[in-house]
Amino acid sequence: QQQVKQSPQSLIVQKGGISIINCAYENTAFDYFPWYQQFPGKGPALLIAIRPDVSEKKEGRFTISFNKSAKQFSLHIMDSQPGDSATYFCAGQEASGSRLTFGEGTQLTVNP
Amino acid sequence: NAGVMQNPRHLVRRRGQEARLRCSPMKGHSHVYWYRQLPEEGLKFMVYLQKENIIDESGMPKERFSAEFPKEGPSILRIQQVVRGDSAAYFCASSPTGARGKFFGPGTRLTVL
Repeated sequence: QQQVKQSPQSLIVQKGGISIINCAYENTAFDYFPWYQQFPGKGPALLIAIRPDVSEKKEGRFTISFNKSAKQFSLHIMDSQPGDSATYFCAGQEASGSRLTFGEGTQLTVNP
Repeated sequence: NAGVMQNPRHLVRRRGQEARLRCSPMKGHSHVYWYRQLPEEGLKFMVYLQKENIIDESGMPKERFSAEFPKEGPSILRIQQVVRGDSAAYFCASSPTGARGKFFGPGTRLTVL
């Protein structure tokens, strides 16, 4: 009930390409879905987040697409750059609680 | 405006010793969360604290682990009698009241020999 499933586990993209990472959740009480970016040896940093009352949110090259009926959401990174190479985590959070439930992470490599 | 601070950044302990990890939240943040990241795995929630109160400790192992967030000073995650399986990165996050976004610290990497 609490799980968030993330795929793929790893992703290699050429510079300028589109990176797509997918997540699926089970807990229908989740009402906040953030994405975090983590570089090696660093803590996760909030990248972008969405609530289920909208189907898409865009910030610069990063877009979240949200499908409430399918209980799925995805992160799209347009014009991927080598500096985007990092591990990306999706997460879900309930309104009543404050803990984040994270996906397993996707290691993105953008080749120059 | 300093971010979430954690110390030490790296900690080496021998089996059976105690590990004490510290977290200072961002200025103005009264909510602190601890997460554990095992090698090649995602982040797992451990505990959520406010000043002098444990709000949710459902992710904490039943034995050897404890956490506190005193009225004054940093939040402390304490692991007693460490075992090799405790080797992981421990992250602290903080948030202000009413906010959904959480800000993570750089983590403490614990190695148990």
